[in-house]
Amino acid sequence: DTEVTQTPKHLVMGMTNKKSLKCEQHMGHRAMYWYKQKAKKPPELMFVYSYEKLSINESVPSRFSPECPNSSLLNLHLHALQPEDSALYLCASSLQGEQETQYFGPGTRLLVL
Amino acid sequence: GIQVEQSPPDLILQEGANSTLRCNFSDSVNNLQWFHQNPWGQLINLFYIPSGTKQNGRLSATTVATERYSLLYISSSQTTDSGVYFCAVEAWDYKLSFGAGTTVTVRA
Repeated sequence: DTEVTQTPKHLVMGMTNKKSLKCEQHMGHRAMYWYKQKAKKPPELMFVYSYEKLSINESVPSRFSPECPNSSLLNLHLHALQPEDSALYLCASSLQGEQETQYFGPGTRLLVL
Repeated sequence: GIQVEQSPPDLILQEGANSTLRCNFSDSVNNLQWFHQNPWGQLINLFYIPSGTKQNGRLSATTVATERYSLLYISSSQTTDSGVYFCAVEAWDYKLSFGAGTTVTVRA
């Protein structure tokens, strides 16, 4: 099973709302990733968790707050977002991290009004 | 960071045609993956190929690491092959960097 699941599929939120995106995998992978993809652009790395610890933060604004409660679950907490944050948010995982295949979830389409 | 260039940016094919997509990268890489992004946004793994040649059905890929390029071959294309094909590489910084993609449209 090479499945990464993400919920919700779609999310509409106002600039004052707080919401969370969820990502789950049951492949025993120890590295998990958040990417952001704007329309007609490639995905861009936001965060990397390795063995449940944040290992890479690509200078992402603090209104995005990642959390890795356990090795199977990755959350992205959203607060006070801007309309330009509207995008497809993709989660991925790999077995241990570097030099390995990354498997992507279906993404959450976020619209900030 | 590493530069990843994909060509062509757009490709229109008639069903049954063959095609080659190219990915050039500017530095040595530890990891190279080809993905297909379908119209719903799902990124599907095609190949993990930091070097050598692999085949999977009608798709095959070759990476020549010493010359810093990779090729993805699509044979006997089908309408379901439509979408965006991304090459992504991981260099010394252990971050996966994507090229801009090739948008493939296969017409029946």
